[in-house]
Amino acid sequence: KAGVTQTPRYLIKTRGQQVTLSCSPISGHRSVSWYQQTPGQGLQFLFEYFSETQRNKGNFPGRFSGRQFSNSRSEMNVSTLELGDSALYLCASSRQYREEETQYFGPGTRLLVL
Amino acid sequence: GEDVEQSLFLSVREGDSSVINCTYTDSSSTYLYWYKQEPGAGLQLLTYIFSNMDMKQDQRLTVLLNKKDKHLSLRIADTQTGDSAIYFCAEFSNTGKLIFGQGTTLQVKP
Repeated sequence: KAGVTQTPRYLIKTRGQQVTLSCSPISGHRSVSWYQQTPGQGLQFLFEYFSETQRNKGNFPGRFSGRQFSNSRSEMNVSTLELGDSALYLCASSRQYREEETQYFGPGTRLLVL
Repeated sequence: GEDVEQSLFLSVREGDSSVINCTYTDSSSTYLYWYKQEPGAGLQLLTYIFSNMDMKQDQRLTVLLNKKDKHLSLRIADTQTGDSAIYFCAEFSNTGKLIFGQGTTLQVKP
């Protein structure tokens, strides 16, 4: 079974631009969650999607948005990029976003904002 | 509240045992997890413990849970250089989010 894939793996953008990151979950998984990892703040929950609906959201500004398609693939978008958005963005998939379900993580997309 | 705390760095010699500690605040969690992140990779679930257990052993890994003190630890026996990584403890908060500690960087010296 193929794992969680994220594209692109690396990205360089400049301040003010926008970016779209993609996450393809493991086949059969309907939940996709997103996390931002930075040296200062650690791993922070961004949002979670299940069956094309956002069910939970972390404490991030509205510049961070996401969506999920009918095939469970998910994208996240960051508009008006700031230097502080430089981070590793990880997505995870599972059958359900619940304690008893293992979350499988992708390798991440490393975003550098100049 | 949603808070998970860990020490940031641990250095051990190859063959020694490593103990990584974690404290958490949400006592409603049913499961507590340990994830491993190797350089350039995503997170991999190492092990978990059910909240009604005190201890779980899985090969070289031993997880201890003290619910009263909200303290979780991960012991790695016979630590190898391949164990060098960042280790995260995590729990599902009562708001339904998977919350991680800051991560403990384990350095294993040959």
